[in-house]
Amino acid sequence: AQRVTQPEKLLSVFKGAPVELKCNYSYSGSPELFWYVQYSRQRLQLLLRHISRESIKGFTADLNKGETSFHLKKPFAQEEDSAMYYCALSGGSGYSTLTFGKGTMLLVSP
Amino acid sequence: NAGVTQTPKFRVLKTGQSMTLLCAQDMNHEYMYWYRQDPGMGLRLIHYSVGEGTTAKGEVPDGYNVSRLKKQNFLLGLESAAPSQTSVYFCAVGLAAVEQYFGPGTRLTVT
Repeated sequence: AQRVTQPEKLLSVFKGAPVELKCNYSYSGSPELFWYVQYSRQRLQLLLRHISRESIKGFTADLNKGETSFHLKKPFAQEEDSAMYYCALSGGSGYSTLTFGKGTMLLVSP
Repeated sequence: NAGVTQTPKFRVLKTGQSMTLLCAQDMNHEYMYWYRQDPGMGLRLIHYSVGEGTTAKGEVPDGYNVSRLKKQNFLLGLESAAPSQTSVYFCAVGLAAVEQYFGPGTRLTVT
């Protein structure tokens, strides 16, 4: 069975502070990992995926297979980063479905 | 080009009533999904479809049925609504799990 764990329900930081949203996964094969974001009153949307190794809106995430982690990081948080962030894994069902974590709410205060 | 739309946006049902939620897409994607979002539970997959005429169960399929008669539409049905089905329902479409595009959500309350 595959599982995604986001240990923090809420992360509150001040503007300009570094941010790290934690994501750990459990999967026996080779997973694909994603971060999705949901801003207030907006649709859930893809933020980034590990296979593309790109930085979106200043966020990066590195897949650490040894620690089975895919933490999301940003060196300097902005108020507009406040949102719900979901880590997701694809591996089973022929990589046709996603398993989401429970989400972490990021609040960035001025 | 509307992308992914969901109908209705809000609905209140009494226990035991039935309803159908419609997800429509104009993106021509094969894969379509229905999720429910509950506080503290994240998104959980109810059912999904990998193409017209196909459906498969997700993590929490009980109490729901789905149909994909046309490629662009994916219907989610509740035959006998229960208070435990109070939730926000999201439809998504995509290229398998590579990237999913979400609809705006349907907020359902069962009293």
